Amino acid sequence: KAGVTQTPRYLIKTRGQQVTLSCSPISGHRSVSWYQQTPGQGLQFLFEYFSETQRNKGNFPGRFSGRQFSNSRSEMNVSTLELGDSALYLCASSSTQGESAEQYFGPGTRLTVT
Amino acid sequence: AQSVSQHNHHVILSEAASLELGCNYSYGGTVNLFWYVQYPGQHLQLLLKYFSGDPLVKGIKGFEAEFIKSKFSFNLRKPSVQWSDTAEYFCAVKEAAGNKLTFGGGTRVLVKP
Repeated sequence: KAGVTQTPRYLIKTRGQQVTLSCSPISGHRSVSWYQQTPGQGLQFLFEYFSETQRNKGNFPGRFSGRQFSNSRSEMNVSTLELGDSALYLCASSSTQGESAEQYFGPGTRLTVT
Repeated sequence: AQSVSQHNHHVILSEAASLELGCNYSYGGTVNLFWYVQYPGQHLQLLLKYFSGDPLVKGIKGFEAEFIKSKFSFNLRKPSVQWSDTAEYFCAVKEAAGNKLTFGGGTRVLVKP
């Protein structure tokens, strides 16, 4: 079974621009979560989608948004990029939600904002 | 809100030494507990997990962890490390409902050959 895939793997953007990152979960997985990884803040939860509905959201500004499609693929969007948005963005998928759910991570998208 | 703390930021060991990484969390309800590993240049991989039952869980690559509910701890152990265990290790906690993982700050482990 193919793992979680994320595209693009690397991205360089300028302050003020917007960016869209894509995540394809493991086949059959309906839950997709997004995390931001930075050296200073570590791994922080952004949001989770299950069956096209946002189920949980972390403490990030409204510039960060996401969605999930009927095939479980997910996208996250960051508008009006700031230098501090430079990070590794990780996507994780799970077959279920809640008790006993295991999450499998993709390789991430490395976003650099200049 | 949940929080997870990992006791050491950096650990340096020689091969064949034993490894123990501490993890404590704060949350009063039912939790699921995980250890993930990130090898250099690779993505996060699940090492082991605790959902319920036997508090001593075994994972891949000879790792094990013990859940002590009274201490809110989930410490990771390996009796004899190898050079290939050089990586960053993350403890994570999830409320039983939902899929949000709260991660500790990570521990970088360097195993000297």
